[in-house]
Amino acid sequence: EPEVTQTPSHQVTQMGQEVILRCVPISNHLYFYWYRQILGQKVEFLVSFYNNEISEKSEIFDDQFSVERPDGSNFTLKIRSTKLEDSAMYFCASSEGRLADNEQFFGPGTRLTVL
Amino acid sequence: AQTVTQSQPEMSVQEAETVTLSCTYDTSESDYYLFWYKQPPSRQMILVIRQEAYKQQNATENRFSVNFQKAAKSFSLKISDSQLGDAAMYFCAYRSGYSGYALNFGKGTSLLVTP
Repeated sequence: EPEVTQTPSHQVTQMGQEVILRCVPISNHLYFYWYRQILGQKVEFLVSFYNNEISEKSEIFDDQFSVERPDGSNFTLKIRSTKLEDSAMYFCASSEGRLADNEQFFGPGTRLTVL
Repeated sequence: AQTVTQSQPEMSVQEAETVTLSCTYDTSESDYYLFWYKQPPSRQMILVIRQEAYKQQNATENRFSVNFQKAAKSFSLKISDSQLGDAAMYFCAYRSGYSGYALNFGKGTSLLVTP
């Protein structure tokens, strides 16, 4: 069964450094998402991406964040200058369509630790 | 903005017994979708069950069923004949049927299944 995959599973970085989190969505999916979960808090939506453009973003997704689909398979989240409060689990998801009943399939997450 | 509340941080059930996980939500919309996602330890979130707000009939998927009370804005998940493999974090989520892509999650309920 196709799955969303994410690399790395755990990333440790120093405050102020740039990090790139990688995701490989399910191959026939067209919509891609990033969510994050700070320890002890709820999973929060960051951004959705379709046709090489951001289609929706939350207030969390400020100028230090960017997303890209650099090739036909990868979908990346870049954090330009990490802060301590960026420490969280980051989940990538993908879906076939954009309608609300289209299931979003999630990856296993990347745990980002900012020191 | 819609809010999703899961008031039970942890629940425990004995194998073969039935357990109900609670979820309430707040919205002014009439068209929306509700979801229960399961996240086993160190694994990705998978969709357990989905409910369209316009459907009066409660959704059922094998041992999983929901009690959808639209007027009360309640969406509980019932797991019958609990199995050890049901042990996981369970997230309730809301998605607007009008616009947007974001899933709006509750904080989750950790379910422990004891032999």
